[in-house]
Amino acid sequence: QSALTQPRSVSGSPGQSITISCTGSSSDVGAYNFVSWYQEHPGKAPRLLIHAVNKRPSGVSDRFSASKSGNTASLTISGLQADDEADYYCCSYAGGYTLVFGGGTKLTVL
Amino acid sequence: QVHLVQSGSELKKPGASVTVSCKASGYTFTDYPINWVRQAPGKGLEWLGWINTETETPTYAQAFTGRFVFSLDTSLSTAFLNVSGLEPGDTALYFCVRRYTTGWSLGYWGQGTFVTVSS
Repeated sequence: QSALTQPRSVSGSPGQSITISCTGSSSDVGAYNFVSWYQEHPGKAPRLLIHAVNKRPSGVSDRFSASKSGNTASLTISGLQADDEADYYCCSYAGGYTLVFGGGTKLTVL
Repeated sequence: QVHLVQSGSELKKPGASVTVSCKASGYTFTDYPINWVRQAPGKGLEWLGWINTETETPTYAQAFTGRFVFSLDTSLSTAFLNVSGLEPGDTALYFCVRRYTTGWSLGYWGQGTFVTVSS
């Protein structure tokens, strides 16, 4: 399976909103509603932010939202905070009981 | 609450094998599959595959067949990852991860085990 495509980096100022895209294909993102998003701070294990395209686990701020259109999923972070500076990864079910990750996006809060 | 505790860092020579353990607690071990994910230094996350903890059936990502083997000791609520024929490119942080409640998301992560392959 080929990795999902994410921008290498995005940036925004505190209080602003940013969106990270995740482009796959009709065999993964476009085929299933099993897209998830993860936040990874340096030296820490990744943390689940979004599951099943747009659902937040309990404890995740409602500043994080997500959606999907066709073969592209998107994560939006509103009201940017300094602590949002991290790496973000999308992941999709790709059929055949397999998963595929995106390459990751580094978010810089200016 | 759910906890996954992994074994400590390993330093291995090329060609050697390594086993990483992942002990689960806080839930019924056989109710949820265990996934394995790795991250090379400065690189992104790679999904290695998963093991069905009820049937002990493994599924490997295409790029990780052959040298990577998943196993379980359900009596100890522990999952294992064995990597044989280690190569320098296998140097990475290896995570075990439990599925979230339903679906195909990765909800609970171990702390990671760093495997260094160097002569």
